[in-house]
Amino acid sequence: DGGITQSPKYLFRKEGQNVTLSCEQNLNHDAMYWYRQDPGQGLRLIYYSQIVNDFQKGDIAEGYSVSREKKESFPLTVTSAQKNPTAFYLCASHLVFPGGGSEKLFFGSGTQLSVL
Amino acid sequence: DQQVKQNSPSLSVQEGRISILNCDYTNSMFDYFLWYKKYPAEGPTFLISISSIKDKNEDGRFTVFLNKSAKHLSLHIVPSQPGDSAVYFCAASDTGTASKLTFGTGTRLQVTL
Repeated sequence: DGGITQSPKYLFRKEGQNVTLSCEQNLNHDAMYWYRQDPGQGLRLIYYSQIVNDFQKGDIAEGYSVSREKKESFPLTVTSAQKNPTAFYLCASHLVFPGGGSEKLFFGSGTQLSVL
Repeated sequence: DQQVKQNSPSLSVQEGRISILNCDYTNSMFDYFLWYKKYPAEGPTFLISISSIKDKNEDGRFTVFLNKSAKHLSLHIVPSQPGDSAVYFCAASDTGTASKLTFGTGTRLQVTL
């Protein structure tokens, strides 16, 4: 089955620790995204990548880093500089049509990150 | 600055009745709008979209209406079913596509028996 796989489902971070959230897709999608959801808030864009080896900051990129070495993978690292990392993290992807963009964004099932 | 607003945090509707979820936006450059449904601890799933060149789009029980002059869109679910109970997010883009979506804060819909 094609889809977006996020792992782990739950992750705990100690103070001062970097943690990496995995996102893999086998949909052959070009563009990939990371969003963060906090209780009572909408999804906020952290980083996105339209093609391999290229990515751009979203609205709340501070304290996060990403890489896009392979088309199917877009890992997110939550660094110790992110002072409020507890949130539900969602990875998403879509095809990029010749005119740009896509009809809809597909989401993974999310990773809940908590601070110990 | 919240560019996409869902002013009703929650809504309760009886089974079989119509559910109307509302969304307002401030950015006049938004030209593509989507609705997503989300269950707890899961990723959102796409429901329906509408381009700014249209004012209505239907897909089964779901209809989205767009009023560009009022910068307002709404999602109608008819008839509402218990399985529709979830959080609904509206999202908007200024790219004419689903790229770089800006999401609202969500409305929790509860469909009661």
